[in-house]
Amino acid sequence: DIVMTQTPLSVSVTPGQPASISCKSSQSLLRRDGKTFLFWYLQKPGQSPQLLIYEVFNRFSGVPDRFSGSGSGTEFTLTISRVEAEDVGVYYCMQSIQLPRTFGQGTRLEIK
Amino acid sequence: EVHLVESGGGLVQPGGSLRLSCATSGFIFSDFDMNWVRQAPGKGLEWISSIGRDNSLAFYADSVRGRFSMSRDNAKSSVFLQMNNLRDEDTAVYYCARVGALDYWGQGTLVTVSS
Repeated sequence: DIVMTQTPLSVSVTPGQPASISCKSSQSLLRRDGKTFLFWYLQKPGQSPQLLIYEVFNRFSGVPDRFSGSGSGTEFTLTISRVEAEDVGVYYCMQSIQLPRTFGQGTRLEIK
Repeated sequence: EVHLVESGGGLVQPGGSLRLSCATSGFIFSDFDMNWVRQAPGKGLEWISSIGRDNSLAFYADSVRGRFSMSRDNAKSSVFLQMNNLRDEDTAVYYCARVGALDYWGQGTLVTVSS
């Protein structure tokens, strides 16, 4: 199974400041057709997870442009350019290049 | 608008069975693979099963293979998860989610396995 490792596991951010979360995979997530199967989700308190970023850097419908994804191969980053209060929750990365799909442990974002 | 609504959760004794359902709307159901993902209390996300568009092939996590069975009814735009021989460690909120990207999720249904 592909192991997904997120750092940090928690982060406290002042509103308006940036935040970054790292995700590393134990194997490359790059498929032969050039697509990379790395996704980012946010689970807000008491809610279901919601897709933020697909295939490394593509924002899902309705996701604010302060969220961006980057990386390649086995190392990826989710960046929030200016954190807002509504961004609190747990962020997960996930790989779907092979089954079983596996998630990172989650990174809890709190507001200072 | 895409909607996924899970049902069927509840309290069950170890060794018991439950059948979860996920009713969908707002998209052409038969065009999409579907998944079940679970979350134990206070824990992270665990993918447990996927099924292809035509119901021909389902895949499972090692933790549930041989005990859980996923199926779908394209005429009813629904997926199901038959859970047998339940264990304490199966206690979780169970979510259905669409396609490999897990782009839409339901609200989840809580399964509690306890004597």
